[in-house]
Amino acid sequence: DTAVSQTPKYLVTQMGNDKSIKCEQNLGHDTMYWYKQDSKKFLKIMFSYNNKELIINETVPNRFSPKSPDKAHLNLHINSLELGDSAVYFCASGQAGGYTFGSGTRLTVV
Amino acid sequence: AQSVSQHNHHVILSEAASLELGCNYSYGGTVNLFWYVQYPGQHLQLLLKYFSGDPLVKGIKGFEAEFIKSKFSFNLRKPSVQWSDTAEYFCAVNVPGTYKYIFGTGTRLKVLA
Repeated sequence: DTAVSQTPKYLVTQMGNDKSIKCEQNLGHDTMYWYKQDSKKFLKIMFSYNNKELIINETVPNRFSPKSPDKAHLNLHINSLELGDSAVYFCASGQAGGYTFGSGTRLTVV
Repeated sequence: AQSVSQHNHHVILSEAASLELGCNYSYGGTVNLFWYVQYPGQHLQLLLKYFSGDPLVKGIKGFEAEFIKSKFSFNLRKPSVQWSDTAEYFCAVNVPGTYKYIFGTGTRLKVLA
């Protein structure tokens, strides 16, 4: 049983397209996150939802929109993809004890 | 605002060498501290964490970390590294009661067989 699952694992798409990444957790956590890891491995928080409410919204272009239909799911939709969006996107689910990360989605924009 | 510094960006060691990776944070109050490991091509996994109590924390795979409050540090150690420890190591800080975790920039460890 995968605790935090992300789909797809790899995503190659052209500039200008719109794409979504899905994330689901079965840990019963109230809080979920999206992180972006760039080519230098730097992890930057993008969004966090707690029980379907947006609680963290870092300086992220408004082309990125998170959606949380329920507390077990946090999806990331990206409009008008740009080359600079190429990165690995990690979903995480967490509480005070630390995060559990998904396996990541490697997005390549060509 | 909190920040986390990992001054060693790349570390290369031979097997059986001892390891110490530095982590310093900037925040004057109480913090929760974490070390995560990311093996090549994989996701981040929790190595160990400190909330309170004994400042020497033991984690998985023989790793330990020591919290030194006066130095705002939480350095990661392992007495004898193995080739399989080759990975990226991230220190992270969380202020209790908040949702945000701040990660350091990571230290890439390469262990030579």
